Amino acid sequence: GAVVSQHPSRVICKSGTSVKIECRSLDFQATTMFWYRQFPKQSLMLMATSNEGSKATYEQGVEKDKFLINHASLTLSTLTVTSAHPEDSSFYICSAKAVNEQFFGPGTRLTVL
Amino acid sequence: QKEVEQNSGPLSVPEGAIASLNCTYSDRGSQSFFWYRQYSGKSPELIMFIYSNGDKEDGRFTAQLNKASQYVSLLIRDSQPSDSATYLCAVNHNYGQNFVFGPGTRLSVLP
Repeated sequence: GAVVSQHPSRVICKSGTSVKIECRSLDFQATTMFWYRQFPKQSLMLMATSNEGSKATYEQGVEKDKFLINHASLTLSTLTVTSAHPEDSSFYICSAKAVNEQFFGPGTRLTVL
Repeated sequence: QKEVEQNSGPLSVPEGAIASLNCTYSDRGSQSFFWYRQYSGKSPELIMFIYSNGDKEDGRFTAQLNKASQYVSLLIRDSQPSDSATYLCAVNHNYGQNFVFGPGTRLSVLP
């Protein structure tokens, strides 16, 4: 299957700082990428849909000013968690859509102290 | 009503048995259906997809789709302890939009 990478895989930061997570489709172009969050023992929760060259579409309850998404190219989308707080600690997973399939990145585990 | 439903489990089967995982969906306009496997602490990985009614086999895995009854299932033959994971069902309402994921079923294969 197609390969999607995420960087960093793990990040620990202090409360109040901002963290940027990159999602790249390595062997295909993805006009649409998705950002998910998953808390321990819970299911995936879609945060936003990122379309190349346009504004992201956020799910209800997700603060767009806190979770900034930039999809600058067909192979890169970034999620910036601004002014992170301990409750933002979670597993953030991106995915990229290739034709009719969706492939996930390996995820980024964020811990906010 | 949730759009995609799965039994959360855990579903426990002995090694070598057939594991049967079920998923129902509410939108009759759904076009494509996917099964993902997620190990603890890892991101989901695609196992297989199915678009047409009937069965689709890939190795030890068989996906079954019944659009009239709005359910899709995954059978795992000769289950192995390494199959122990959470299995996510995903439904795509049309080819241009996001997938809707079920909550996942936790499978435990006992050696």
